[in-house]
Amino acid sequence: EIVLTQSPGTLSLSPGERATLSCRASQSVSSNFLTWYQQKRGQAPRVLIYDAYKRATGIPDRFSGSGSGTDFTLTISRLEPEDFAVYYCQLYPRWVFGQGTKVEIK
Amino acid sequence: EAQLVESGGGLVQPGGSLRLSCADSGFTFSSNWMSWVRQAPGKGLEWVANIKGDGSEKDYAGFVMGRFIISRDNAKSLLYLQMNSLRVEDTAVYYCATESGSYYHSWGQGTLVTVSS
Repeated sequence: EIVLTQSPGTLSLSPGERATLSCRASQSVSSNFLTWYQQKRGQAPRVLIYDAYKRATGIPDRFSGSGSGTDFTLTISRLEPEDFAVYYCQLYPRWVFGQGTKVEIK
Repeated sequence: EAQLVESGGGLVQPGGSLRLSCADSGFTFSSNWMSWVRQAPGKGLEWVANIKGDGSEKDYAGFVMGRFIISRDNAKSLLYLQMNSLRVEDTAVYYCATESGSYYHSWGQGTLVTVSS
């Protein structure tokens, strides 16, 4: 069974800074069906990036995804106040989630 | 855009049962694979089960171990999760979500299930 490990657990940054979040799979992923979600406190997750790099509808272009094989990255080019949240990666087809990275205000 | 609304959560004793429902206000419910995903308090997301649009295929996470049953009523655009033999560790917010290929494009607001004596 594939395990997704996200790092770091918490990222402390200031608005305007660049955020780089990592998601590593325990086995190589040939299909690149890797999705990133954002979850704010008390809310359901929302999809940001799917198929490793495709932005979902309505997602600002400051969010970008990259990677293949076992290593995937979510980059937020310039943090806006509304971007401070928890981010999860997820792999298909077994619907495996990473444990999450919290992006908090420094 | 379709809206998903869960209901049926609440407080139940260990060993008890609960049935969750998820109402879909969209027009393509019967075409979509649907999932239940849960989130224990302060924890991450965990897939529970999913079901094909016509109900002919179902899959469950290993921890379910025959205790939960996922089903759907396409005539009513409803998704269900029958949960039996509940354990303290099943305490979580349960979300229904619509699969769009490899990801979830719609989520409900969640319903809280608390298993406690």
